[in-house]
Amino acid sequence: KQEVTQIPAALSVPEGENLVLNCSFTDSAIYNLQWFRQDPGKGLTSLLLIQSSQREQTSGRLNASLDKSSGRSTLYIAASQPGDSATYLCAVIKNSGAGSYQLTFGKGTKLSVIP
Amino acid sequence: DTGVSQNPRHKITKRGQNVTFRCDPISEHNRLYWYRQTLGQGPEFLTYFQNEAQLEKSRLLSDRFSAERPKGSFSTLEIQRTEQGDSAMYLCASSKGQGESEQYFGPGTRLTVT
Repeated sequence: KQEVTQIPAALSVPEGENLVLNCSFTDSAIYNLQWFRQDPGKGLTSLLLIQSSQREQTSGRLNASLDKSSGRSTLYIAASQPGDSATYLCAVIKNSGAGSYQLTFGKGTKLSVIP
Repeated sequence: DTGVSQNPRHKITKRGQNVTFRCDPISEHNRLYWYRQTLGQGPEFLTYFQNEAQLEKSRLLSDRFSAERPKGSFSTLEIQRTEQGDSAMYLCASSKGQGESEQYFGPGTRLTVT
């Protein structure tokens, strides 16, 4: 069974700092890995999708890397802002064998950026 | 492209009542997923539709749960005889093309069973 772990569970940083969020997964036979942002009481916003053949993806101040063989991904946020405060979720996509490409999520890292 | 929409956004019901949620995926997205998220946890997969066919159901989906996607467009998730343990955020996602494509989520329906 695929398990996804995110460390740390919570992180508080001063505005302007660069930071790294970590994600690990137990089964390396994945298709893709997706990073999401979730604001309190809200749905999920997709940030980046990394295909299994890729090593990284970038969008603005965000950079996500994937090391499939070691079962790890990192999300790097540059020059953090108070508006980045949210819970960040990592999810892996695998063919379940029954037709679906369901996401398996970690529990998330709750980020607080202090002005 | 208006995004995935879900209704209602919030639902409070008494234990034992039936509730139904609706999800409207992004138009032309043939794949539709339902997930459930409890407090402090990541979302967990419930069920999957490809067009109108329900191809997979999680063990989390007890007999009290039923989902439909009658014309391959919107989907409904019904919970019969609700229990307090059903209280959660119910999230819908859709995608198109290859199965491993990016999934786009709706805002969710927050269910509270009293």
